[in-house]
Amino acid sequence: DAKTTQPNSMESNEEEPVHLPCNHSTISGTDYIHWYRQLPSQGPEYVIHGLTSNVNNRMASLAIAEDRKSSTLILHRATLRDAAVYYCILRDGRLSSGDKLTFGTGTRLAVRP
Amino acid sequence: GAGVSQTPSNKVTEKGKYVELRCDPISGHTALYWYRQSLGQGPEFLIYFQGTGAADDSGLPNDRFFAVRPEGSVSTLKIQRTERGDSAVYLCASSLRGTGGAGGYTFGSGTRLTVV
Repeated sequence: DAKTTQPNSMESNEEEPVHLPCNHSTISGTDYIHWYRQLPSQGPEYVIHGLTSNVNNRMASLAIAEDRKSSTLILHRATLRDAAVYYCILRDGRLSSGDKLTFGTGTRLAVRP
Repeated sequence: GAGVSQTPSNKVTEKGKYVELRCDPISGHTALYWYRQSLGQGPEFLIYFQGTGAADDSGLPNDRFFAVRPEGSVSTLKIQRTERGDSAVYLCASSLRGTGGAGGYTFGSGTRLTVV
């Protein structure tokens, strides 16, 4: 499976934007880029995913580099509730590849009031 | 229900005992997944069901671990002869179908298993 690299931790101030980077230099043409986050004592929560184009939803935005070797999850205004571990995951779009997510250790985001 | 439900939320058992962990997926979700998460680590894949059958069980660590989903809805993860190293949070997730790259999973809050 293609791997991702994320910083272990980041800090942000409340109400400021946060840019969480992810490198995936060995991404293949059929890999989707998924982001999940995990709040304390909860299971992971789906945030957003994309293939080639930038994506926006009510939770966040996903900016994908033109060569797809990196991506950035953008939280437009961080709140205390956004403190969590954020996972960047590549998921093969071919149905023959199976259907599991392979998690790394993610980025632990701390939000300062 | 509205989300994925896992019971019990906490389970403490003695080394060598047998345990069952239950997962109720979102109604209508045909795909169900089990993961295990140790402290400070990301979730680790165990097994994936599509309907009643295990489509991928490559993550089960050994033959003490077994999972079933007899009617294509509720699933039970069974661990025989538990060991202290089995202590972890066991997470269940479901999705509408095996979707390849698209779509997201919905996870439950997990069962924290402690083997003493």
